[in-house]
Amino acid sequence: AQSVAQPEDQVNVAEGNPLTVKCTYSVSGNPYLFWYVQYPNRGLQFLLKYITGDNLVKGSYGFEAEFNKSQTSFHLKKPSALVSDSALYFCAVRSRSNDYKLSFGAGTTVTVRA
Amino acid sequence: GAVVSQHPSRVICKSGTSVKIECRSLDFQATTMFWYRQFPKQSLMLMATSNEGSKATYEQGVEKDKFLINHASLTLSTLTVTSAHPEDSSFYICSARNTGTSNSPLHFGNGTRLTVT
Repeated sequence: AQSVAQPEDQVNVAEGNPLTVKCTYSVSGNPYLFWYVQYPNRGLQFLLKYITGDNLVKGSYGFEAEFNKSQTSFHLKKPSALVSDSALYFCAVRSRSNDYKLSFGAGTTVTVRA
Repeated sequence: GAVVSQHPSRVICKSGTSVKIECRSLDFQATTMFWYRQFPKQSLMLMATSNEGSKATYEQGVEKDKFLINHASLTLSTLTVTSAHPEDSSFYICSARNTGTSNSPLHFGNGTRLTVT
């Protein structure tokens, strides 16, 4: 079985401050990890993924995430948040052996105040 | 690139009628597409895996006779909600995997807001 936990329902930060959205996962074997963002009444937009290689992954819109195998975490980060980053963020995982079925976390609502 | 078009974006229908939702991969081929359901402020629940040229695989608890899936070509999958009831009102999202690339992320449509009155 595979699962994802996003421990925070909401994250609030001021514009210009660092943003972190937490994610931990559980999967058999080595994971494929993803972050997606969702704006109201829209589908999910891909931000970044970890497949293999460097633990620090850089993605779209200045976001990055660090894969930590020992802590089974894949936290999303952005050094300087923008008001336009306010959205719902999902972490997702799948094992390398399954047929592309993703398991999503419950989502974290990010609000960046001006 | 890698655009998934989902149509319609919103639909309101009367109880007892059927609604068809289309999911198209516009610039890539997708032998596999996925259908999700999302309740307000909740995560995505995988309903079924749509396979081109074969029957869909449904997740446990999802009624296959109620949610008919057809994947007739490498770029199109449809979800038909049959005999819709108010409890079927939800946000439905499709995603597609680019068959031509390995380890590619899933690409998502913009979703369909279904309201059954």
